[in-house]
Amino acid sequence: GESVGLHLPTLSVQEGDNSIINCAYSNSASDYFIWYKQESGKGPQFIIDIRSNMDKRQGQRVTVLLNKTVKHLSLQIAATQPGDSAVYFCAEINDYKLSFGAGTTVTVRA
Amino acid sequence: DGGITQSPKYLFRKEGQNVTLSCEQNLNHDAMYWYRQDPGQGLRLIYYSQIVNDFQKGDIAEGYSVSREKKESFPLTVTSAQKNPTAFYLCASRRGGGLTNYGYTFGSGTRLTVV
Repeated sequence: GESVGLHLPTLSVQEGDNSIINCAYSNSASDYFIWYKQESGKGPQFIIDIRSNMDKRQGQRVTVLLNKTVKHLSLQIAATQPGDSAVYFCAEINDYKLSFGAGTTVTVRA
Repeated sequence: DGGITQSPKYLFRKEGQNVTLSCEQNLNHDAMYWYRQDPGQGLRLIYYSQIVNDFQKGDIAEGYSVSREKKESFPLTVTSAQKNPTAFYLCASRRGGGLTNYGYTFGSGTRLTVV
C-alpha cells in the first residue's frame, strides 16, 4: 500500500547547526503535506505545510521543500535550539484524512 | 481559549472492560478524528467524523466505537474486543470548508494502559 515514511528514525544535531529531516511519500494523489512536532506525552503541533503545487515554503526558522519528481519532502530547521528536540512527523492529506510516517527523533547536543 | 480537551490524561483498564475516552472541542470545527499512537510509530486513524451524527471507520477501527451526537464532542470507546489497547490516543479536529481549510488541531492525548 501507499504510505508516508521518514528516511531516518533518529537525528543528532549540534546546537546552532541546521537540521534536515527527510520524508519519502508514495501516494502521488496527495495534494497537501504537513510537518508536525511532537514532544513527549503531548499531541502533535503544526510546524509548516505545503501544497503539491509548490516547491518550497518558508516559515520562522523552518523551510519545507517538496520534490514531486522523486516524491520527497524535507524539513529544514535553521540554527537548531535545545527546544527543537522532539519527534518530527511528516503527514500527507488525501481525501481529508491525515496519514503519518513513523517519525524522526531529533536530539540537540549542547 | 479555544482548543481540544482530552480526558483523562492517564487511564487504566482491566482486561475485558470497556472504557470511554473523552474528546471535547470549542473551536466550532466540523470534523473530528481519533488516532492511535504506539511507541516509535506514527499515528494511525481509528475513526473520523465530518459532521454531526455521521462517522466513518479509519484504518484500524476494529475493537473501537464512536458517537457524534454533538458537534463539540467525539467520545471513543475501547471495547473488550480490542486485543491490544495499550497505547497513546490522540483526538484531532479540523475546520471544514474544503481543501483550503485543513487547520488540524490536536489534543494532548490519553495514555491507556491495560492492567
